[in-house]
Amino acid sequence: GAGVSQSPRYKVAKRGQDVALRCDPISGHVSLFWYQQALGQGPEFLTYFQNEAQLDKSGLPSDRFFAERPEGSVSTLKIQRTQQEDSAVYLCASSLARRLGQYEQYFGPGTRLTVT
Amino acid sequence: AQTVTQSQPEMSVQEAETVTLSCTYDTSESDYYLFWYKQPPSRQMILVIRQEAYKQQNATENRFSVNFQKAAKSFSLKISDSQLGDAAMYFCAYRRAQGGSEKLVFGKGTKLTVNP
Repeated sequence: GAGVSQSPRYKVAKRGQDVALRCDPISGHVSLFWYQQALGQGPEFLTYFQNEAQLDKSGLPSDRFFAERPEGSVSTLKIQRTQQEDSAVYLCASSLARRLGQYEQYFGPGTRLTVT
Repeated sequence: AQTVTQSQPEMSVQEAETVTLSCTYDTSESDYYLFWYKQPPSRQMILVIRQEAYKQQNATENRFSVNFQKAAKSFSLKISDSQLGDAAMYFCAYRRAQGGSEKLVFGKGTKLTVNP
C-alpha cells in the first residue's frame, strides 16, 4: 500500500506566521511520530501518538509547537509565531504496534520549512 | 538519557569495495533495538538493517551487515561490494524495547560517498 505522506513538501513562512504540517501515516499504523531535522544533523524527536493519545511530547521545543491526531489517523503539527530557528525538515513516521512486536518506523518524505 | 554517537562525519569508498561505518551508544537499559537508516539526497529515510539487543547473532541483509558489540556499546555497519546507489547519509538509531517512549534517538549521521 501507500507509504507515509506529508504535505506540503515545502513551506516558506514569514517570521511570526503560523504554519500547519500534515502527515498521513500508513493505513492501520497505530503509532505516529514527528521529528525535526536541522540541516546537516540527525533527526530529533518531537512527539508521538498511539492512536489519538499523545504519549510523549518531551521533544517539543516550546509551547509554540502543538501536535494533534484527533481520530487516530492523520496528524497535524502546528507551529505558531514561527521563528527563524524553526527552519528545518519536519519528518513524520509511523509504525504498526509495539504489542505485536512491530517496532520499525516508516518515514515520510518530510516537509521543508523555511522561515524568512 | 540515551545518546548515539557517529564519529565519522564523512566516509568514501570505491565502487565494489567494502566500507564500515561506526556507531557507539550510551544506555543503562539491557533490552533495546538498534537501527541503521539510509537517507539519500531525496530525503526519504529508509531502514537498512535492525538489531535486537537480546540477540547475539549479528544481523545481515544482503550486502549489509552489522558488528554488534553489546559490552562495548558499539554497532558498526559494514557495506560490502559498494554500489553507486549506496551513496547517502547513514544514521544510526536507538530505541528502548520495554516501556516508556517508542521514540528513536539518532546520531548525527555519516555521509557516504561512493567513487566510480
